[in-house]
Amino acid sequence: QSVLTQPPSASGTPGQRVTISCSGSSSNIGTNFLYWYQQLPGTAPKLLISRNNQRPSGVPDRFSGSKSGTSASLAISGLRSEDEADYYCAAWDDSLTGVVFGGGTKLTVL
Amino acid sequence: QVTLRESGPALVKPTQTLTLTCTFSGFSLSTSGMCVSWIRQPPGKALEWLARIEWDDDKYYSTSLKTRLTISKDTSKNQVVLTMTNMDPVDTATYYCARGLEGVGGWLDPWGQGTLVTVSS
Repeated sequence: QSVLTQPPSASGTPGQRVTISCSGSSSNIGTNFLYWYQQLPGTAPKLLISRNNQRPSGVPDRFSGSKSGTSASLAISGLRSEDEADYYCAAWDDSLTGVVFGGGTKLTVL
Repeated sequence: QVTLRESGPALVKPTQTLTLTCTFSGFSLSTSGMCVSWIRQPPGKALEWLARIEWDDDKYYSTSLKTRLTISKDTSKNQVVLTMTNMDPVDTATYYCARGLEGVGGWLDPWGQGTLVTVSS
């Protein structure tokens, strides 16, 4: 059971906009920055969104993040086949004094 | 360019101790604010954070695994070592190391390619 809660799956057709939610608590998302990681099949996770809504260099602006209270979301617009991957949210948890991850969301491009 | 690479045994027996090494380049763990974390991922399952060591030797562990984990660093070799005692088949996973920043807990970038560890007799 992951500390952060994500839907196990999401899907969309090419060109569509999809969102993935991430829910936590006051000790993690409510207090600290939220991060999103993209894990393409068979590869290591890659930082996708930093500090709630900042895109690292090289990440397309089709990807955006937002946070409100103890929840956050990742939006992907103009969906492309290469976006098919697992997406994880993560944050520091002040009570656990460690990083907590969501259970991951498998995005399928139909 | 920052890179990290995990190394260690591919197969360990139940009850044995696992020792993994993360060898990195492009940054130094003697630099203020730098950290390295270990994360694992059982086949087909989610990511699980294990431990973190900071530039000043502060250490943090997963609460559920802290009795079994030890993290250490060798700054001169640019290496971080994770040991996990009393290995069990449920510990079968790909183990990753990643660079972090002090005070920015969830920031992990970049990650190593990972090393698959299978626990079986």
